[in-house]
Amino acid sequence: GAVVSQHPSWVICKSGTSVKIECRSLDFQATTMFWYRQFPKQSLMLMATSNEGSKATYEQGVEKDKFLINHASLTLSTLTVTSAHPEDSSFYICSARDLGLAGVLDEQFFGPGTRLTVL
Amino acid sequence: QQQVKQSPQSLIVQKGGISIINCAYENTAFDYFPWYQQFPGKGPALLIAIRPDVSEKKEGRFTISFNKSAKQFSLHIMDSQPGDSATYFCAASMGGGFKTIFGAGTRLFVKA
Repeated sequence: GAVVSQHPSWVICKSGTSVKIECRSLDFQATTMFWYRQFPKQSLMLMATSNEGSKATYEQGVEKDKFLINHASLTLSTLTVTSAHPEDSSFYICSARDLGLAGVLDEQFFGPGTRLTVL
Repeated sequence: QQQVKQSPQSLIVQKGGISIINCAYENTAFDYFPWYQQFPGKGPALLIAIRPDVSEKKEGRFTISFNKSAKQFSLHIMDSQPGDSATYFCAASMGGGFKTIFGAGTRLFVKA
């Protein structure tokens, strides 16, 4: 099956620093990747849609200058949390759609998530 | 109109019993309805999905029932096992790479 990895799986940083999270599709190409944020015992909140070679589309209320997304290749998208603060502490999850199955299978494949703790 | 409403919020079932989780949607443009299972500290994993042209889909112990006219769909877990204890999310999306809308989630606990 299609595999999506995330790195790191957890990170602790000091307030004011920036943190980069990588999302990779390991065995398929993905023109579209999604970034979600999940608070404890809550649902997934879509932050942005990342399209290879173009600017990300952010959901309403998500600060694009704070959450920088880059989708430089068909297998890699990165989320950078800039000037992180304690309120940014959360579980960040990415997902990807298989380019080869677009229009045939709408399944999203999710990464294992990254736990960010900002002190 | 973009919401997917999920119930119950939590569910306790005896081992061997049937777990039932319900979802409802408003947007008739949705054409793909997946269910995801998530364990603590892990990303969601697709369990089973259905399109509105069928009323039921079964994969092993998991069955989706879909009622297009009522705009409702449900997940049935037969012979529930303690290992099924997790959070389950229903979702809905439109084809072509559109974003997926998730329900609020149901925390299932299966008692041994």
